[in-house]
Amino acid sequence: QVQLVQSGAEVKKPGSSVKVSCTASGGPFSSYAITWVRQAPGQRLEWMGAIIPIYAPANYAQKFLGRVTITADESTRTSYMELSRLTSEDTAIYYCARLGLPRDYSYHLDVWGKGTTVTVSS
Amino acid sequence: DIEMTQSPDSLAVSLGERATINCKSSQSILHNSNNKNYLAWYQFKPGQPPRLLIYWASTRDSGVPDRFSGSGSGTDFTLTISSLQAEDVAIYYCQQYYSSPYSFGQGTMLEIK
Repeated sequence: QVQLVQSGAEVKKPGSSVKVSCTASGGPFSSYAITWVRQAPGQRLEWMGAIIPIYAPANYAQKFLGRVTITADESTRTSYMELSRLTSEDTAIYYCARLGLPRDYSYHLDVWGKGTTVTVSS
Repeated sequence: DIEMTQSPDSLAVSLGERATINCKSSQSILHNSNNKNYLAWYQFKPGQPPRLLIYWASTRDSGVPDRFSGSGSGTDFTLTISSLQAEDVAIYYCQQYYSSPYSFGQGTMLEIK
């Protein structure tokens, strides 16, 4: 059974960067995309981007292009999401999730992490 | 970009009664090549990882109780809980995975009446 374990909560200053990790245990890793989704308070879930570890680089939502970097380390079965130039609007819960089928991005998300709270405050 | 709209925003249903949540996409998410609707439903509960309930609009994920069912095609979809249980209190989201960015509905909060 695949599980995704995310890193702990972060508090950041405006203008800084945050890097959140997501480590997979059990099941295949390299051919299945890991997606990053966030939910700001009172807002809907937003798809930020995804990476298939064996096919890196990542695929990003237009909104986050130039500000987000998603990477994956096959040796540690870990994906990372780094978001730069943070503002208060980036305060959100950030989730990683694995796609249900391999080698493409157009699939459902069958396993999720618990989420990482990122708070941006001066 | 495809916009997903759920209705209602919140819903209160008595235990044992039927709950119905609707989801509408701004364009068809039925793929002609394989005749599949690229739609999933998720359940969010506090303190737990979100859970996949339904994919391809009507396929229940492994371990999901059969009181959960999904239906619809093209642009209009429904999640039905046939007999509401206390543990079904949650927020439910639909998501299209037809085209990037893979957007979500705004969520429906389901409570016990």
